[in-house]
Amino acid sequence: SQTIHQWPATLVQPVGSPLSLECTVEGTSNPNLYWYRQAAGRGLQLLFYSVGIGQISSEVPQNLSASRPQDRQFILSSKKLLLSDSGFYLCAWSVRPSGRAREQYFGPGTRLTVT
Amino acid sequence: QQPVQSPQAVILREGEDAVINCSSSKALYSVHWYRQKHGEAPVFLMILLKGGEQKGHDKISASFNEKKQQSSLYLTASQLSYSGTYFCGTPTSGSARQLTFGSGTQLTVLP
Repeated sequence: SQTIHQWPATLVQPVGSPLSLECTVEGTSNPNLYWYRQAAGRGLQLLFYSVGIGQISSEVPQNLSASRPQDRQFILSSKKLLLSDSGFYLCAWSVRPSGRAREQYFGPGTRLTVT
Repeated sequence: QQPVQSPQAVILREGEDAVINCSSSKALYSVHWYRQKHGEAPVFLMILLKGGEQKGHDKISASFNEKKQQSSLYLTASQLSYSGTYFCGTPTSGSARQLTFGSGTQLTVLP
């Protein structure tokens, strides 16, 4: 069966510090991978998605970046955090679509507080 | 274009029924439903495909009316465990890879 891991689970970082969040998927190959951010009490905002190694699409201009160095690894980074970067960061995966949008499975998330 | 969910919040007693609606201003060929419990990640419930089919998950079912560009989630004889925020997601224009999620409906089931 497939599992998705994210770490760390919680993080408190000062403004201006760098960020690296990691997501790995097990039990599947060639998944689509996604990074979402959820502000407190709000909906899901898609940040990045990837259809393969080195292929990243950005949905929202910001000070964040993403990389996919391996098939089942997805990393979210920032060089300098802003207060507005606080939130719940969720990684998700889906199988490659075949003509229709496929269901997404979410990792446990990282709760980031920027102070 | 973000789908619109209604109501924003609903409170009911155990055993009561609830309906959550999700509508879109653009043509849909699928609608996804997720539930997120407080402090946890969203969990996939079901996907509705074009054709008006109704699907079920325990006592939770959903319908999809492509002509009205609308989907409804039905929670029958609600249980305490149904509490959480329900999101619908629809394929983003021009891409089968992405979903755009509604703002969510917060459901609270009281004993």
